[in-house]
Amino acid sequence: EAQVTQNPRYLITVTGKKLTVTCSQNMNHEYMSWYRQDPGLGLRQIYYSMNVEVTDKGDVPEGYKVSRKEKRNFPLILESPSPNQTSLYFCASSLMIQETQYFGPGTRLLVL
Amino acid sequence: GDSVTQMEGPVTLSEEAFLTINCTYTATGYPSLFWYVQYPGEGLQLLLKATKADDKGSNKGFEATYRKETTSFHLEKGSVQVSDSAVYFCALRAGTAGGTSYGKLTFGQGTILTVHP
Repeated sequence: EAQVTQNPRYLITVTGKKLTVTCSQNMNHEYMSWYRQDPGLGLRQIYYSMNVEVTDKGDVPEGYKVSRKEKRNFPLILESPSPNQTSLYFCASSLMIQETQYFGPGTRLLVL
Repeated sequence: GDSVTQMEGPVTLSEEAFLTINCTYTATGYPSLFWYVQYPGEGLQLLLKATKADDKGSNKGFEATYRKETTSFHLEKGSVQVSDSAVYFCALRAGTAGGTSYGKLTFGQGTILTVHP
């Protein structure tokens, strides 16, 4: 089944404790992206990747890192999480940058 | 920059009522427009899209027409069902290839729809 998977789905952590949210797609998509969803703000793009080893900042990149060492994986890294990063995170992918994006199920993060 | 504005929610309707969720946008060039739906506890799913002016996207009884003159992409359904209860997001994708924002989806704030039996 073609899909975008994220892990974990739920995470509670404390300020400053590094964490990684994984994202994987099995559709051989080139374009991948991370969004965060906050009430009243919709989804905002954090980082995106056009292809392996090609990543760039979105609208709200502060406090996040990403890597794209393999085509299928695009992990989101929070080196030192803070409470304002409490949010619902979505990974998305598309075959090419201009194609329809498919979303993962989301990761709900709470930073205490 | 690009932006999308959706009508304030939440929207509460009775089953078989007519639904309209307004969406207007601001963008340079010729963006593509989308409606995504998010069912409780799930990720976003593409509901419908339109890629040029006057195109009508449709799916599962939902429709939206790309109106460039009014910069709008309102979502409509003639008869809603309880199973349509979800959050609906209007979004645009920048239309200018080669720009740094090309490919990025810009979302509205989302509209919560609740349909009662």
